[in-house]
Amino acid sequence: AQRVTQPEKLLSVFKGAPVELKCNYSYSGSPELFWYVQYSRQRLQLLLRHISRESIKGFTADLNKGETSFHLKKPFAQEEDSAMYYCALLDRGSYIPTFGRGTSLIVHP
Amino acid sequence: DSGVTQTPKHLITATGQRVTLRCSPRSGDLSVYWYQQSLDQGLQFLIQYYNGEERAKGNILERFSAQQFPDLHSELNLSSLELGDSALYFCASSPGLAGGFYNEQFFGPGTRLTVL
Repeated sequence: AQRVTQPEKLLSVFKGAPVELKCNYSYSGSPELFWYVQYSRQRLQLLLRHISRESIKGFTADLNKGETSFHLKKPFAQEEDSAMYYCALLDRGSYIPTFGRGTSLIVHP
Repeated sequence: DSGVTQTPKHLITATGQRVTLRCSPRSGDLSVYWYQQSLDQGLQFLIQYYNGEERAKGNILERFSAQQFPDLHSELNLSSLELGDSALYFCASSPGLAGGFYNEQFFGPGTRLTVL
């Protein structure tokens, strides 16, 4: 069965510091991975997906199949990055998504 | 505002009861997804409909059912409610067929269900 693990419930950093939100997965096939973000009092929204290899709001995520990881990184955190971040994996056969438990990122001024 | 609406925002009911949650997708979106978010289980995918037909099924209990109507709105029916069903229920919509993840999913604000 597919599984997504976000080992940190809470990550607290200062503005300007680098940020890495960890995501590890287990999946037998070739995964489709995503990061979602939920800002305070806002809806859950897609941040980025690995297939597009994009950088959104300064965030990037690289799929490492050897380590089965899809960590989200940003070199210089901003206060407005404070939010809840969810890593998700899509089963390409059934199209069933699996979400991690989420990591709350707090960026202090 | 994602354009996805859900009603009601809050629902308080008793064990054993049945409730219906409603979701209206963004205009033009054919896929609707239902999720349950609780402290115990995190965010769990329940079910997906595409243009009126069930497309994918996740960890949805037999006491729960859903449907998508011709006007594309969807309803999630929860019956024989238990205390553990208390959670935030989200729906999301997307234009596409392929699980919605090749097309971005747009989430609604959620319905908070409290079972007493």
